Amino acid sequence: QVQLQESGPGLVRPSETLSLTCTVSGFSIFSSYWSWIRQPAGKRLEWIGRSYPSGSTDYNPSLKSRVTMSVDTSKKQFSLKLSSVTAADTAVYYCARLNSGGYSWFDPWGQGTLVTVSS
Amino acid sequence: EIVMTQSPGTLSLSPGERGTLSCRASQSVSSNYLAWYQQKLGQAPRLLIYGASSRATGIPDRFSGSGSGTDFTLTISRLEPEDFAVYYCQQYGRSPFTFGQGTKLEIK
Repeated sequence: QVQLQESGPGLVRPSETLSLTCTVSGFSIFSSYWSWIRQPAGKRLEWIGRSYPSGSTDYNPSLKSRVTMSVDTSKKQFSLKLSSVTAADTAVYYCARLNSGGYSWFDPWGQGTLVTVSS
Repeated sequence: EIVMTQSPGTLSLSPGERGTLSCRASQSVSSNYLAWYQQKLGQAPRLLIYGASSRATGIPDRFSGSGSGTDFTLTISRLEPEDFAVYYCQQYGRSPFTFGQGTKLEIK
């Protein structure tokens, strides 16, 4: 059974870098694309980007200049870094697996972690 | 990017009734790469349908998806109390992947 678990600070100061990690269990991290998705309170889900163990990445153009994703196969983790954050980046952040290749649905999802940007 | 628009915003129905949720894309969704998710308060989204009409593992057969091109539908044949939630459609045929704004299915 594939399980994903997000971890990282729940509070980030404006202009700093948000860093989150997702730990994968029950499935080989080598075999899939891995994504981050966020959801501001009361708003729609927003795809942030995807990464593959080879180092290949694809980011949402709306966030591309501030996003870095990577996969650490030795730790069975993948990560998200979002720089120069503002209050608009406050959201629940989810990690998810792309189920079947790079163009695929998301399943499963992590439980989500709330990140608040505030001084 | 492909903009996904769902209707209605809120749907008020009673248990046992049939629910029909719509999703429209601003451009044709290639290969019908369209998914539906259910989200309950405080929980992560749960995959219901992929490929516009294929049910995910463990999803009851009262959930069905249909449509192609730019117009898609999620149908819940007989609503159970646990079905009242928010539903999102998502296209994954073109990057950036995009979601609809959601339809809230509430008890009438």
